[in-house]
Amino acid sequence: DQQVKQNSPSLSVQEGRISILNCDYTNSMFDYFLWYKKYPAEGPTFLISISSIKDKNEDGRFTVFLNKSAKHLSLHIVPSQPGDSAVYFCAAYGGGGGADGLTFGKGTHLIIQP
Amino acid sequence: KAGVTQTPRYLIKTRGQQVTLSCSPISGHRSVSWYQQTPGQGLQFLFEYFSETQRNKGNFPGRFSGRQFSNSRSEMNVSTLELGDSALYLCASSIDGPNQPQHFGDGTRLSIL
Repeated sequence: DQQVKQNSPSLSVQEGRISILNCDYTNSMFDYFLWYKKYPAEGPTFLISISSIKDKNEDGRFTVFLNKSAKHLSLHIVPSQPGDSAVYFCAAYGGGGGADGLTFGKGTHLIIQP
Repeated sequence: KAGVTQTPRYLIKTRGQQVTLSCSPISGHRSVSWYQQTPGQGLQFLFEYFSETQRNKGNFPGRFSGRQFSNSRSEMNVSTLELGDSALYLCASSIDGPNQPQHFGDGTRLSIL
């Protein structure tokens, strides 16, 4: 049972435009959400996070939005740059049940077209 | 500031053997978590150590174990290796736990023949 879902395996966006990556979750106990970026042959790199008490967090070109009622979060990248091409993982924490590590989605491969 | 270091980067073993992977966290980070990444299952949480104690454990068999030393360095051990254990094993550290941004190493690629 996948508790964190990223339904788009890949996304292609033109350079300079906005990239929007989506993530849905099912466990209402999650209270902290993160986005990671991963290049091939490297470990995931932390991008941005949001606590469940907020609905928006910004850091430079990256903004994360959280809609708790819909159990949905999204990552906006504006403007998109070629170096943003990578796999993006959504992760959640706080699921309880004794397995309190991060629960990851399966990732979205973002491709920035020149 | 040095990042999370995992050794070795690549490892080839055969079924039935055991393996030990090592992780050195960022200086000052006391929490170390381990994850398994496979194409089919994605990134899955194995366990988390804090102050030399296993604090949380994911849904993996007892063949997967770990430990943490007083300097926060951690090792992960897999016994009686199976073909399905072939994966990228990632270590992540944070100051106090997974409810903060975790910093990942580049992983150990384990292949079972």
